Amino acid sequence: NAGVTQTPKFRILKIGQSMTLQCTQDMNHNYMYWYRQDPGMGLKLIYYSVGAGITDKGEVPNGYNVSRSTTEDFPLRLELAAPSQTSVYFCASSAVLSGPYQETQYFGPGTRLLVL
Amino acid sequence: AQKITQTQPGMFVQEKEAVTLDCTYDTSDQSYGLFWYKQPSSGEMIFLIYQGSYDEQNATEGRYSLNFQKARKSANLVISASQLGDSAMYFCAMRGMYSGGGADGLTFGKGTHLIIQP
Repeated sequence: NAGVTQTPKFRILKIGQSMTLQCTQDMNHNYMYWYRQDPGMGLKLIYYSVGAGITDKGEVPNGYNVSRSTTEDFPLRLELAAPSQTSVYFCASSAVLSGPYQETQYFGPGTRLLVL
Repeated sequence: AQKITQTQPGMFVQEKEAVTLDCTYDTSDQSYGLFWYKQPSSGEMIFLIYQGSYDEQNATEGRYSLNFQKARKSANLVISASQLGDSAMYFCAMRGMYSGGGADGLTFGKGTHLIIQP
């Protein structure tokens, strides 16, 4: 299993441009997440999904959109990129809750985004 | 709202010594899970250990153990016999149980930068 994969690894955007960060998992996990990590900080949740067709906002959703058309894929869309969106973006997935909190979130390698 | 506090921005430890990384949390949830992740300089997030709020025994995974003190709301990570490869950022995180079994994400602390010296 490849686990959670993310593309691209690194991207430079100009202010106002848009892009999609790709995330794919091959573990058949229902739950998927997008986080961002600013320098010297922990991760903050942007959006999450409990299954195909179902998404919800996390702590910092402004400026982003997501979709979940399949179990495997959970792309993150940035519209009108701003310097404040310069960050490292992590995608994660976890299995359906089979008991209280027994699941672990597995993370992709991250996408480093620079908006200039 | 949940909150994770890691009060040690950085730590220097001699190789082969044990090290304790502090983590305190705040939540109104009755049931929750606590996690520790390691982030080496390469940037990936590596799961280390998990503790459920109703687990009576402290979790252990190889050289990692979690010192869980529920009344004090602390979940410290203990690394025994530290190695040079343990040098990394360490993040404490938690997840609560919301009604309906929601799958919201993890709440992370700001991390502790651990440096193991030879």
